[in-house]
Amino acid sequence: DTEVTQTPKHLVMGMTNKKSLKCEQHMGHRAMYWYKQKAKKPPELMFVYSYEKLSINESVPSRFSPECPNSSLLNLHLHALQPEDSALYLCASSSDGDHEQYFGPGTRLTVT
Amino acid sequence: DAKTTQPNSMESNEEEPVHLPCNHSTISGTDYIHWYRQLPSQGPEYVIHGLTSNVNNRMASLAIAEDRKSRTLILHRATLRDAAVYYCILREYNYGQNFVFGPGTRLSVLP
Repeated sequence: DTEVTQTPKHLVMGMTNKKSLKCEQHMGHRAMYWYKQKAKKPPELMFVYSYEKLSINESVPSRFSPECPNSSLLNLHLHALQPEDSALYLCASSSDGDHEQYFGPGTRLTVT
Repeated sequence: DAKTTQPNSMESNEEEPVHLPCNHSTISGTDYIHWYRQLPSQGPEYVIHGLTSNVNNRMASLAIAEDRKSRTLILHRATLRDAAVYYCILREYNYGQNFVFGPGTRLSVLP
C-alpha cells in the first residue's frame, strides 16, 4: 500500500471557525510533511515531522497548528484563518528525510 | 540560497523524447535534485533524483552537467499520460528534509 490519504477532500470554513485536516499513511514512513499550494504555483513546505517530532517549521503563522499523534497520522489544526489561506493543502510521507516523498491528493480549503 | 529556474511550458509530440531543463544559480556539492510531476487534481508524484552522476529508472533519466548547475530530466518517449507540471526540486543538505520546489514546467503532449 503506497497510498497517503487525506480528509476531507474539500473544506469551506469561516474566519472564526476551527477545523482540522487529517493525513494518514500505512507504509511505515517516519517522516511526514505539510505543504501549501496556491493555484498555478508550486507547493511550499510548511512543516516536517521526523519520528513524530517537529523538525522543520517554515515560519508558518500560529493559526496553523500541526500535530503528529503517532507515526501513521498527521493533523493540521486550523483556527482564525484568513481568505488568503485558501489553497490546496498537501500531505506527504517518506521513509526518512533522504527518500522520495509520497503525496496525498490534498484538501482544497476555502476560507470565506 | 540556490535559485532554481525552469521554462514555464514545453510541448512535445507523442512518442518523441522530451528534455526538461532545470538550472541553478548556485548549488552546493551536497544538494540533491529531485524531479516530481503533478497531474491535474492530484498530488505530486516522484519521478527521479540524483546528486552528481546521471541516473536512470523506469520512468526517466536524469542528466547532470559537469558543473552540476543544470540537470535535465529526459522522458525517452512521451505519452499523453506524461502531460503534467514537472517540478525540479532542490533538497538542501544543510536543511535536512527541506524541499524547495522550482517554479515548474507545464508539459503538453500532442497526439
